[in-house]
Amino acid sequence: AQKITQTQPGMFVQEKEAVTLDCTYDTSDQSYGLFWYKQPSSGEMIFLIYQGSYDEQNATEGRYSLNFQKARKSANLVISASQLGDSAMYFCAMRESLRGGGGSNYKLTFGKGTLLTVNP
Amino acid sequence: EPEVTQTPSHQVTQMGQEVILRCVPISNHLYFYWYRQILGQKVEFLVSFYNNEISEKSEIFDDQFSVERPDGSNFTLKIRSTKLEDSAMYFCASSEYTPPGALFGSGTQLSVL
Repeated sequence: AQKITQTQPGMFVQEKEAVTLDCTYDTSDQSYGLFWYKQPSSGEMIFLIYQGSYDEQNATEGRYSLNFQKARKSANLVISASQLGDSAMYFCAMRESLRGGGGSNYKLTFGKGTLLTVNP
Repeated sequence: EPEVTQTPSHQVTQMGQEVILRCVPISNHLYFYWYRQILGQKVEFLVSFYNNEISEKSEIFDDQFSVERPDGSNFTLKIRSTKLEDSAMYFCASSEYTPPGALFGSGTQLSVL
């Protein structure tokens, strides 16, 4: 069974500074994918970034980057130049393929999340 | 930008009543999902729906739950006889052939009294 561990229940960062949110995972699959989602206080789930297990380069999306260390089974999210609007819950998730869909049908296993607070 | 739409945003019901949560996935997506998040807990997978049938369901998705895609656009989750422990945020999601990740709706907060 897949498992996602986020060991930081809460993190604080000063505005304009960078912050790293930790995520470790456990899987026996050779092919997998890792995601980060942001959940602001309004409740919606916002997709941030994706890393495939065979991707050689770390994923980046604007101010978000994913520090993928396969041997360590970690997929940490780095947010550069934090903004007040970054204050939210952040979830790491792993993809597990389901039958049908040729690998495009999958379910996500989520970690417990990290609550990030950006201070002015 | 296309988005997954869920209605209602909040639903209050009495224990034992039936509820239907509605979702309009992104039009060209092929895979549809329901997840739920009990307050303060992590998001949990409920069910996957592909090619007009359930492809996978979790142990949470018991006989009280059902899903339908009645008209090719809406995707519904029905809870036949709600229990107090069904109170949660329910998220609909849809995805297409390749990553990135499934796109989630803004959720329906279900409160069972």
